[in-house]
Amino acid sequence: ELKVEQNPLFLSMQEGKNYTIYCNYSTTSDRLYWYRQDPGKSLESLFVLLSNGAVKQEGRLMASLDTKARLSTLHITAAVHDLSATYFCAVDMGSGGGADGLTFGKGTHLIIQP
Amino acid sequence: NAGVMQNPRHLVRRRGQEARLRCSPMKGHSHVYWYRQLPEEGLKFMVYLQKENIIDESGMPKERFSAEFPKEGPSILRIQQVVRGDSAAYFCASSRQGRTEAFFGQGTRLTVV
Repeated sequence: ELKVEQNPLFLSMQEGKNYTIYCNYSTTSDRLYWYRQDPGKSLESLFVLLSNGAVKQEGRLMASLDTKARLSTLHITAAVHDLSATYFCAVDMGSGGGADGLTFGKGTHLIIQP
Repeated sequence: NAGVMQNPRHLVRRRGQEARLRCSPMKGHSHVYWYRQLPEEGLKFMVYLQKENIIDESGMPKERFSAEFPKEGPSILRIQQVVRGDSAAYFCASSRQGRTEAFFGQGTRLTVV
């Protein structure tokens, strides 16, 4: 059974600081997603990482994937209050012939204080 | 291009009643996924459907839960004889093909009283 673990689960940080959220998964996969969720809202797709060594950046967020280590990171640079949200990583184990759903981590609740 | 549409957004049911949750995928998407989110938890995969077919229901509880995606109309997640433990947010996602990026709807928040 695929397990996806995020850490930390809760993170309070000040504006302007840098921090990294980690996502470990237990079984080989070549497809990993990062989502953002605001309270009471749906999930907003941030990044899709499709290969080992993939790195994607959007504004103050940068995501990377190391399939050999089964690790993805979401790095926040010079955090601003608007980035406060819950961030989920999700791993796709589907092979086209079996389970095609995503397995999600528990999420990292990020609070950025002015 | 409208996104994934779910309705209702909020649903309150008494124990023992039935709950029907609807999901209209994005235009051009024929793959639908249902997920359940408990408070303070990540999303748990329930079922994956294509038109008129259930592809994978490994995450669905064996009893009281069913899902369909008819040739015409939205996908329906049906929960019979609801219990308090069914209270959760239920999200639907759709994709153009399997294993391509899925887009999520706003969710239906089910409260069982």
